[in-house]
Amino acid sequence: DGGITQSPKYLFRKEGQNVTLSCEQNLNHDAMYWYRQDPGQGLRLIYYSQIVNDFQKGDIAEGYSVSREKKESFPLTVTSAQKNPTAFYLCASRVAGGGTEAFFGQGTRLTVV
Amino acid sequence: QQQVKQSPQSLIVQKGGISIINCAYENTAFDYFPWYQQFPGKGPALLIAIRPDVSEKKEGRFTISFNKSAKQFSLHIMDSQPGDSATYFCAASKASGTYKYIFGTGTRLKVLA
Repeated sequence: DGGITQSPKYLFRKEGQNVTLSCEQNLNHDAMYWYRQDPGQGLRLIYYSQIVNDFQKGDIAEGYSVSREKKESFPLTVTSAQKNPTAFYLCASRVAGGGTEAFFGQGTRLTVV
Repeated sequence: QQQVKQSPQSLIVQKGGISIINCAYENTAFDYFPWYQQFPGKGPALLIAIRPDVSEKKEGRFTISFNKSAKQFSLHIMDSQPGDSATYFCAASKASGTYKYIFGTGTRLKVLA
């Protein structure tokens, strides 16, 4: 089945640690996105990538980093510089070019302990 | 110019009633306006989408109304059912240039049985 897979579903991070969230898609989509979801704030764009080895900052990129070494994969690292990382993180992908449906993963809930 | 403003933040409707959610955008370069439905703990999924060359699109009980001059679009859910209880997001994108996908802040809909 084609789709977009995020892992893990739940992740706990200690203060000062970096953690990496995985996002893999087998839809052959060029564009991939990371969003952060907090209650009452909708989906805020962290980073997006249109092609391999290229990515752009979204609206809230501080404290996050990404890589796009393969078309299928777009991992997100939440660094210790992110002061309030507890949130629900969503990865999405879509066909290159605008005007197309975005397919979302099931999300990763990150909690700082 | 990149914002999409969504209202109301929450909505309670009786079973069988009509649910209406509104969105407004600023950037006239946007040319794809989807609505996404999200259930708790899940990623959003495309519900229905419209392009600015039509003023209305209907799929089953769901209708998008689009007003290009006012830069507004709305989602109407006819004969609302308890199973429609979810969070709804409007979004906007454009066909060329950046592939940014901008979301509204979401509306939490509760349909009472």
